[in-house]
Amino acid sequence: GENVEQHPSTLSVQEGDSAVIKCTYSDSASNYFPWYKQELGKGPQLIIDIRSNVGEKKDQRIAVTLNKTAKHFSLHITETQPEDSAVYFCAAPRNSGNTPLVFGKGTRLSVIA
Amino acid sequence: DTGVSQNPRHKITKRGQNVTFRCDPISEHNRLYWYRQTLGQGPEFLTYFQNEAQLEKSRLLSDRFSAERPKGSFSTLEIQRTEQGDSAMYLCASSLRVSASTDTQYFGPGTRLTVL
Repeated sequence: GENVEQHPSTLSVQEGDSAVIKCTYSDSASNYFPWYKQELGKGPQLIIDIRSNVGEKKDQRIAVTLNKTAKHFSLHITETQPEDSAVYFCAAPRNSGNTPLVFGKGTRLSVIA
Repeated sequence: DTGVSQNPRHKITKRGQNVTFRCDPISEHNRLYWYRQTLGQGPEFLTYFQNEAQLEKSRLLSDRFSAERPKGSFSTLEIQRTEQGDSAMYLCASSLRVSASTDTQYFGPGTRLTVL
């Protein structure tokens, strides 16, 4: 089955700076990699996802890159704002073609105004 | 609001009592998932349904846990004889499965269970 490692566990950045969160996965057959943002007391909110047929995907200030050879993918947030402060989780399918997700342990991002 | 909804949002119970949670998925989503999240951890898979069929149960789902989706729409998760170790956030997610590729899951707000 899949194993997902996420780093760092905490990240503090100044408002306006960029933030990068990295995840590695173990199953080379994995083909789908979502990122979720979770605010205190709320459920995870999907912010971006990428499938293995592309290497990068952008949505305004958020981008995800995927390196299938190295089996890692990263979340990039540019021009960070205080409202970006939250816990971010990466995930991958537990088995090839099987959609229950395996999550990383999360990164607590703090954007300092 | 057309997102995933869960009720109740919070539940406090005494050890040994039974509790039941409800999840209403996004309309027309055919898959529904239950996850559990403890403090400082990512969500962990418990079980999931395609329409009314329960396709898989995790080893985390002990015999005290049961989940149903009788009409392929809303789902319930029941925990019998609750233990303090059951205290967690119980998350529901839904997705629309249309092909063999992995489908996108959308989460509800969760039900926070506290067992005293």
